[in-house]
Amino acid sequence: AQSVTQLGSHVSVSEGALVLLRCNYSSSVPPYLFWYVQYPNQGLQLLLKYTSAATLVKGINGFEAEFKKSETSFHLTKPSAHMSDAAEYFCAVSEWAGTALIFGKGTTLSVSS
Amino acid sequence: GAVVSQHPSWVICKSGTSVKIECRSLDFQATTMFWYRQFPKQSLMLMATSNEGSKATYEQGVEKDKFLINHASLTLSTLTVTSAHPEDSSFYICSARAGQGAETQYFGPGTRLLVL
Repeated sequence: AQSVTQLGSHVSVSEGALVLLRCNYSSSVPPYLFWYVQYPNQGLQLLLKYTSAATLVKGINGFEAEFKKSETSFHLTKPSAHMSDAAEYFCAVSEWAGTALIFGKGTTLSVSS
Repeated sequence: GAVVSQHPSWVICKSGTSVKIECRSLDFQATTMFWYRQFPKQSLMLMATSNEGSKATYEQGVEKDKFLINHASLTLSTLTVTSAHPEDSSFYICSARAGQGAETQYFGPGTRLLVL
């Protein structure tokens, strides 16, 4: 069965600092991996996705993530945090293209000035 | 880009009444839509998978007679919460994928339901 673990339910960084949000997955087949961002009282917006092409995936708003099979990880990073990055971030996995997503519990990112 | 809308965005209803939530794909045809439920400060939990023209597939523990799903067209799926109770209060989010085998799901903005 698939599962997603997001380490750290809350991450706080200063504006301009590196953002690192951790995600580990388990899957019996090569997975499809996603990062979504959710702002308060809104739906989810796709940040980036891994679909077995390049292991380093670049997304919107300066975010990127690297798929590491040996570590079963798909951590999300951004070199320099901005105040507008404060939101809830979800890592998700699916085993087959187009099947339902299994979500991690989410990580709340706070950015201080 | 692919846009998914939900209506209404907010609904307050009395206990025992039914509420219908619509999920529409605005600029693409969605053969499959998914319905998720999100409690405060928690992750999204899949409720059911809705396929156009066929019965929805419900996840274990989700009452199909309580959460009625209809996917009558390639751009519209509806979720009806029947005989709503306060414990049904939640944030309901739909998503849609554009075509068979498409790996990306596009999410609606969500519907917040409050049952009094």
